[in-house]
Amino acid sequence: QKEVEQNSGPLSVPEGAIASLNCTYSDRGSQSFFWYRQYSGKSPELIMSIYSNGDKEDGRFTAQLNKASQYVSLLIRDSQPSDSATYLCAHTTNQAGTALIFGKGTTLSVSS
Amino acid sequence: ETGVTQTPRHLVMGMTNKKSLKCEQHLGHNAMYWYKQSAKKPLELMFVYSLEERVENNSVPSRFSPECPNSSHLFLHLHTLQPEDSALYLCASSQKAEDTQYFGPGTRLTVL
Repeated sequence: QKEVEQNSGPLSVPEGAIASLNCTYSDRGSQSFFWYRQYSGKSPELIMSIYSNGDKEDGRFTAQLNKASQYVSLLIRDSQPSDSATYLCAHTTNQAGTALIFGKGTTLSVSS
Repeated sequence: ETGVTQTPRHLVMGMTNKKSLKCEQHLGHNAMYWYKQSAKKPLELMFVYSLEERVENNSVPSRFSPECPNSSHLFLHLHTLQPEDSALYLCASSQKAEDTQYFGPGTRLTVL
């Protein structure tokens, strides 16, 4: 069964620090990977997508993908209290017509 | 705004009521989804529609009945629900079933 593993947390970091969120997956055929942010009581919103090995930067966010090791990570630089949320990792499968596989999410808490 | 709308945003219903949740996407996507998210729990995929045909049904009780009349609209018909069905119901859409998903704001359902 294809799975996505994330540490549920909470991950606590002080304001201004780097938050590192990790995700491992079991499906070697996965091609596309996504990070969603979900504030409490709200719907998930897409913050990053990554398709190739290496790093992808967007503002304070950097996604890192290593397909050989089957992990994807999200780094948040200069963490702010407003970054406090649950971060969901998701990936495609290698079966056309199959929906994304979501992890259970890691809760991040940034203290001021 | 993601281009996916859901109505109503909040719904309280008794166990003998019949109600429907509505989702509409303005993104020209071909796939739509229903998810359930109970308090402090991960997303649970309920139904997937691709080009108006149901392609995934994750063992959802028959008291939940989806309907996809066209690629822009998705309904979830509810009848004789149980209190444990109280949750946030999220709709999402994507260009194809294996693509990035964009979520609506959700319907907060309470079953008394």
